[in-house]
Amino acid sequence: DTEVTQTPKHLVMGMTNKKSLKCEQHMGHRAMYWYKQKAKKPPELMFVYSYEKLSINESVPSRFSPECPNSSLLNLHLHALQPEDSALYLCASSQDGALARETQYFGPGTRLLVL
Amino acid sequence: AQSVTQPDIHITVSEGASLELRCNYSYGATPYLFWYVQSPGQGLQLLLKYFSGDTLVQGIKGFEAEFKRSQSSFNLRKPSVHWSDAAEYFCAVGSSNTGKLIFGQGTTLQVKP
Repeated sequence: DTEVTQTPKHLVMGMTNKKSLKCEQHMGHRAMYWYKQKAKKPPELMFVYSYEKLSINESVPSRFSPECPNSSLLNLHLHALQPEDSALYLCASSQDGALARETQYFGPGTRLLVL
Repeated sequence: AQSVTQPDIHITVSEGASLELRCNYSYGATPYLFWYVQSPGQGLQLLLKYFSGDTLVQGIKGFEAEFKRSQSSFNLRKPSVHWSDAAEYFCAVGSSNTGKLIFGQGTTLQVKP
C-alpha cells in the first residue's frame, strides 16, 4: 500500500478561523512533509518531520503550525491565514528520512480557500 | 546550487503521437532524478526514478526516461500518447546536501484528439 491520505479534500475558512489539515500514511515511513502549491507552479516545501521531529522549517510564517503526533500522522494547524495562503496543500512521506535518494509519496492534497 | 530546468512550459501532441519532455539538471555528482505527474487538482504520482546503473529507466504508464550525463539531461519519453496522459509533469532532483526535492517549473501536456 503506497497511499497517503489527506483530509479534508476542500476547506474554506475566514481569516479569523482556526482549522487543521490532516495527513496519514500506513507505509511505515519515518519522514513526512508539507508542501504548498499554487496553480501552475511546482510544490514548495514548508516543513519536514524526520522520526517525528521537525527537521526542516522553510521559514514558514507562524500562522502555520505543524504537528507530528506519531509516525503515521501529520497535522498542519492554520490560524489567522491570509487570502494569499489559498493553495493546494500536499502531504508526502518517505521511508527513512529526508534523504536525496528517498522517493516521496504524495497525498491528493487539500484545496484551501481563505476568504 | 542544484537546479532543474524544464525548458518547455506547455506542449501539445496528438493522441497516438510520440512524446518527449525535456529536463536538464545542474549537479556535480551523480544525481538522484525523478519524474512526477500531476493530474488537475490531484497529488503527484511518481512515474520513474534514476539513481545509478542502466541509464534507460522504465516507469509506469508506458513512460521511460534516459539519463545522459554528458548533456545533464533526464528526458521523459512515451512512444504513443493517450488522452489520459494530459497532465502536469515535474522533473525533480534530490539534493544530497539537504535531502530536499528540487523541482523544475513543470511542463503542461495537452493531448489533441
